[in-house]
Amino acid sequence: AQSVTQLDSHVSVSEGTPVLLRCNYSSSYSPSLFWYVQHPNKGLQLLLKYTSAATLVKGINGFEAEFKKSETSFHLTKPSAHMSDAAEYFCVVSDPWPGTASKLTFGTGTRLQVTL
Amino acid sequence: DTGVSQDPRHKITKRGQNVTFRCDPISEHNRLYWYRQTLGQGPEFLTYFQNEAQLEKSRLLSDRFSAERPKGSFSTLEIQRTEQGDSAMYLCASSGETNRGGGNTIYFGEGSWLTVV
Repeated sequence: AQSVTQLDSHVSVSEGTPVLLRCNYSSSYSPSLFWYVQHPNKGLQLLLKYTSAATLVKGINGFEAEFKKSETSFHLTKPSAHMSDAAEYFCVVSDPWPGTASKLTFGTGTRLQVTL
Repeated sequence: DTGVSQDPRHKITKRGQNVTFRCDPISEHNRLYWYRQTLGQGPEFLTYFQNEAQLEKSRLLSDRFSAERPKGSFSTLEIQRTEQGDSAMYLCASSGETNRGGGNTIYFGEGSWLTVV
């Protein structure tokens, strides 16, 4: 079974400093991996996705993530945090094979707090 | 393209009552998903439709839950005889065909909050 582990339940950074949200995955195949963001009382917005192309994936709002097979990691980074980045972030793995349900398995989430 | 729409956004109901949520996926998306998210947790998969066919159901979907997608467009999720443990956000999502070599993108609605009192 595929799974993801988000190593931090809560991360606090100062505005303007770098952001690092950590995620490790477990998969029998070369996985498809995603990061979604959820602002309070809102649905989920896709930040970026990895689907076996370039290992460094750029997403929206200045976020990027690097797929490292040797470390089974897919950490999310941003060079400079903004107050509007405060939200819950989910690392997600998906069944990669065509013709099957794209069932997403979510991590437990990392709450990002951005302080002045 | 207006995205995935869900209705109602919030529902408060008494224990034992039935509730129904509606989801309108992105037009031309043939795959539709329902997820449930409780406070402090990530969303959990409930069920999946390809067109009008319900192809997969989670064990989380007890016999009090039923989902339909009669014409392969909008979907409904009904919960009968609600229990306090059903209080959660119910998320709908949709996607197009899967491409070989990678996962297709799944787009989520803003969710329907259910509170059972």
